[in-house]
Amino acid sequence: SQTIHQWPATLVQPVGSPLSLECTVEGTSNPNLYWYRQAAGRGLQLLFYSVGIGQISSEVPQNLSASRPQDRQFILSSKKLLLSDSGFYLCAWSVNSGYNEQFFGPGTRLTVL
Amino acid sequence: GESVGLHLPTLSVQEGDNSIINCAYSNSASDYFIWYKQESGKGPQFIIDIRSNMDKRQGQRVTVLLNKTVKHLSLQIAATQPGDSAVYFCAENTNSGYALNFGKGTSLLVTP
Repeated sequence: SQTIHQWPATLVQPVGSPLSLECTVEGTSNPNLYWYRQAAGRGLQLLFYSVGIGQISSEVPQNLSASRPQDRQFILSSKKLLLSDSGFYLCAWSVNSGYNEQFFGPGTRLTVL
Repeated sequence: GESVGLHLPTLSVQEGDNSIINCAYSNSASDYFIWYKQESGKGPQFIIDIRSNMDKRQGQRVTVLLNKTVKHLSLQIAATQPGDSAVYFCAENTNSGYALNFGKGTSLLVTP
């Protein structure tokens, strides 16, 4: 069966510090991968998605970037965090064909102080 | 822009009653819809999906209804249980076919 992992689970970082969140998927190959951000009490905002290694699409301009160095690894980064980057970051995967449900990881709670 | 939204931000039901959560969408080109359940501090969990060539789909204790004429989607939960308390999101595919556009969510509270 497929599983998706995210780490760390929680993170507190000062403003201006760098960020690296990691997501890995097991049990499938060539998945679509996604990064979402969820503000408190809000819905999910798509940040990035990837349909293959090295292929990144950005949905909104922001202080963040994403990379996919391996087929089942998706990384969310920032060189300098802003207060507004605080939130709940969710990674998801889906089968890379047609319309398919997305399966979410456990999330990372990021607080920027 | 076109978006997905929910009629009610909160819904309180008694244990054992049926729950209905509604969702309106505005993108007439949307043809795939999903309902997710999110418990506090966790990632969303897939509940059920439906494609636009259907108007009803049933799962275990859940039913999704799609009315394309009025661009309305609903999730019905039968015999609601305390474990059903969570935030429920509807989502629809974007024109790119890759990403999902999520609504803001409805909080379901099941009281004993």
